[in-house]
Amino acid sequence: KNQVEQSPQSLIILEGKNCTLQCNYTVSPFSNLRWYKQDTGRGPVSLTIMTFSENTKSNGRYTATLDADTKQSSLHITASQLSDSASYICVVSATNRSGYSTLTFGKGTMLLVSP
Amino acid sequence: DAGITQSPRHKVTETGTPVTLRCHQTENHRYMYWYRQDPGHGLRLIHYSYGVKDTDKGEVSDGYSVSRSKTEDFLLTLESATSSQTSVYFCAIRRQDSGSGNTIYFGEGSWLTVV
Repeated sequence: KNQVEQSPQSLIILEGKNCTLQCNYTVSPFSNLRWYKQDTGRGPVSLTIMTFSENTKSNGRYTATLDADTKQSSLHITASQLSDSASYICVVSATNRSGYSTLTFGKGTMLLVSP
Repeated sequence: DAGITQSPRHKVTETGTPVTLRCHQTENHRYMYWYRQDPGHGLRLIHYSYGVKDTDKGEVSDGYSVSRSKTEDFLLTLESATSSQTSVYFCAIRRQDSGSGNTIYFGEGSWLTVV
């Protein structure tokens, strides 16, 4: 069964500090991995996408890494801001030989950035 | 912004009553999805559509039906609402983004409370 596990479940950091969120997956056949940010009361918004051949991808202060061998991804947030307070969701896509894709969602990491 | 509008955004209904949630998109996307999001479960797929009158079940489809009579509208119906269907419902579309492959874009959510 395809699974995506995220850690930690929740995290509190001080404004200006860095943090790293983890995502471990057992999804096959792997197609890509996305990180979404979900503000309270809003829908999730895509931050980055990682394909099999990519190790690192940045989007402003967000940097995602992917290790396809160990099936792990991380999302690093640099110089956190209050607006970074949100839930971060890891989503892994599997595409079979027929081209049919399925998504497996992690439960998310709730980040609170404190002043 | 992927031009997704959900209605109603908030609804309180009584057990046993029918409820219909509407998802409207303005960009003519073929694929549309309904997810529910609950604490401890993350996002779970209820039903999806791959064209007008073409729909299929997701992992938590029991108690739900959908219809898509027009490309722009995807309706989710709870025939007889139960308290276990109290949740936040997200509509989503799939869009082909240059350089990023297919991306799932979510609406703002519909908060449903069944009392």
